[in-house]
Amino acid sequence: DTGVSQDPRHKITKRGQNVTFRCDPISEHNRLYWYRQTLGQGPEFLTYFQNEAQLEKSRLLSDRFSAERPKGSFSTLEIQRTEQGDSAMYLCASSFAGTGYGYTFGSGTRLTVV
Amino acid sequence: SQQGEEDPQALSIQEGENATMNCSYKTSINNLQWYRQNSGRGLVHLILIRSNEREKHSGRLRVTLDTSKKSSSLLITASRAADTASYFCATAPRFGSGAGSYQLTFGKGTKLSVIP
Repeated sequence: DTGVSQDPRHKITKRGQNVTFRCDPISEHNRLYWYRQTLGQGPEFLTYFQNEAQLEKSRLLSDRFSAERPKGSFSTLEIQRTEQGDSAMYLCASSFAGTGYGYTFGSGTRLTVV
Repeated sequence: SQQGEEDPQALSIQEGENATMNCSYKTSINNLQWYRQNSGRGLVHLILIRSNEREKHSGRLRVTLDTSKKSSSLLITASRAADTASYFCATAPRFGSGAGSYQLTFGKGTKLSVIP
């Protein structure tokens, strides 16, 4: 399978707990993106990596959110002290560098905070 | 924030008919892309049109872009039940526009239902 893999597919957590999601991009892609999507909305940008460098972060990414991409391979997104408002689908995507390339998305991780 | 805005929000057609979805955006773009999302799944890239292109085709898909009106349309011809999904337009900002250089900004989508 050469697509973008996300793990887990679903996560239910209690408010206040920490959660971590993993994304394995397409190996040839050096750009990796995290988006968040709530019901009935389009995906909203969270952060973006080129290789291991985190180059852009959205204002949506509060200090409870942190993302890493060690060695420019897989990436993790951690949410600390989860709140009910964090419930959403978290989507990872990867692409080649440069303009003119579409993104390849993973199937997402659906987070439910109870 | 979401730049693109798709119209209509929902569209229901019979199998075999054509489906047209529109997208409007606000800032200067490098390219505009269309994605499909089946319920509860990730997005699938359909087609990309650059700011200096006016029309592009891919199989049953036809995309137009009017940068003077900041709008795009996606036409799906001879629709099939399997085309039932949400369709999103996404814009990549023009370099030097001040926006995030590489992030795509998505609209809220058009929910297409194709009735067999």
